[in-house]
Amino acid sequence: DTAVSQTPKYLVTQMGNDKSIKCEQNLGHDTMYWYKQDSKKFLKIMFSYNNKELIINETVPNRFSPKSPDKAHLNLHINSLELGDSAVYFCASSQEGQGNTEAFFGQGTRLTVV
Amino acid sequence: AQSVSQHNHHVILSEAASLELGCNYSYGGTVNLFWYVQYPGQHLQLLLKYFSGDPLVKGIKGFEAEFIKSKFSFNLRKPSVQWSDTAEYFCAVISYSSASKIIFGSGTRLSIRP
Repeated sequence: DTAVSQTPKYLVTQMGNDKSIKCEQNLGHDTMYWYKQDSKKFLKIMFSYNNKELIINETVPNRFSPKSPDKAHLNLHINSLELGDSAVYFCASSQEGQGNTEAFFGQGTRLTVV
Repeated sequence: AQSVSQHNHHVILSEAASLELGCNYSYGGTVNLFWYVQYPGQHLQLLLKYFSGDPLVKGIKGFEAEFIKSKFSFNLRKPSVQWSDTAEYFCAVISYSSASKIIFGSGTRLSIRP
């Protein structure tokens, strides 16, 4: 069973479209993340949710809107897609607490905006 | 500002050579430290982690890392690399004071010549 699963794996779309990426984790974790990996492999945190509540929003354009219907899901909706949004987006989860926290990553979604 | 630095951007080695990748962080207080590996076209996988105790930690595939608190370092080592170790390596840190925010270094690309 996949611990953290994202769909779709690949997404090619035109500028200006709206798209969503879904993420689900079956690890029972209470914290989920979205990371963006650019073409230089740099990993930047975008959002962090703990028990469905937004904890971190790292200066991400408001075209990006995360939604967490329950603590096992964290979806990412992107409005008015731009060329610069092309990247690989990784979902991750971890168990919050004092220490002993490691993140488990999904397979990634390669988004290409044309 | 809190940060994680990986000074080696691209390392090229021959098979059987020894490896050491540098990682320094700037958090104060108690931290958890990680090394993740990303094989070409794949997601991030945990190589090893340090939470507490013995500062020399052993990971998968013969990797180890040493936490030196006085130097704020967590360097990754392997005595003899293999061609299959070709990948991107990321150091990551989470501090107790900024839970829900795992910060990654910029990554080191490791290329192994057969």
